[in-house]
Amino acid sequence: GAGVSQSPSNKVTEKGKDVELRCDPISGHTALYWYRQSLGQGLEFLIYFQGNSAPDKSGLPSDRFSAERTGGSVSTLTIQRTQQEDSAVYLCASSLRLAGGPYEQYFGPGTRLTVT
Amino acid sequence: QKEVEQNSGPLSVPEGAIASLNCTYSDRGSQSFFWYRQYSGKSPELIMFIYSNGDKEDGRFTAQLNKASQYVSLLIRDSQPSDSATYLCAVGRTALIFGKGTTLSVSS
Repeated sequence: GAGVSQSPSNKVTEKGKDVELRCDPISGHTALYWYRQSLGQGLEFLIYFQGNSAPDKSGLPSDRFSAERTGGSVSTLTIQRTQQEDSAVYLCASSLRLAGGPYEQYFGPGTRLTVT
Repeated sequence: QKEVEQNSGPLSVPEGAIASLNCTYSDRGSQSFFWYRQYSGKSPELIMFIYSNGDKEDGRFTAQLNKASQYVSLLIRDSQPSDSATYLCAVGRTALIFGKGTTLSVSS
């Protein structure tokens, strides 16, 4: 079946602009995650959504970052007033949520964000 | 601060050999452990998970977990050039903590 899809695949923006990144999870997966991967920092967790529960936002690096998930499916990650240090690959993952876990997370192809 | 440590490598092995990749983690309460493979320019691909002490085998891959030593490893038997990639160890239940990865190079 179809995997996680993300759009756009590449985004170049000027410092100070806002950007929106989209993720469409695997059909039937109730949990959705955002991570970012940069050369210096490796892969970092940003936010986790599960059903109608309040999201786990513990990884968001600043209040310029926000995310929403509408209808329990598609998610949008928004970065306001982008800075050069926001340049990274933003990865979305999804998983089933089975009692007792583990929650096997499957990643999308990512969005490469470059802030100039 | 929860940490996951991996040797960055590169780990170089000849084709057909066994590659051994290692990972240590700091949170003694961790229960789920994952190995991802990442080719250059691509996103991570889940290859195995383990949550019980001991070994778990899947084809040419074996994951080994020792919770007392806070150590998890991945063995790749009969290594192939197509196994050349960065291998990421991840720990956690939902918010995974990743190591920075070990680069494996398999020479033909």
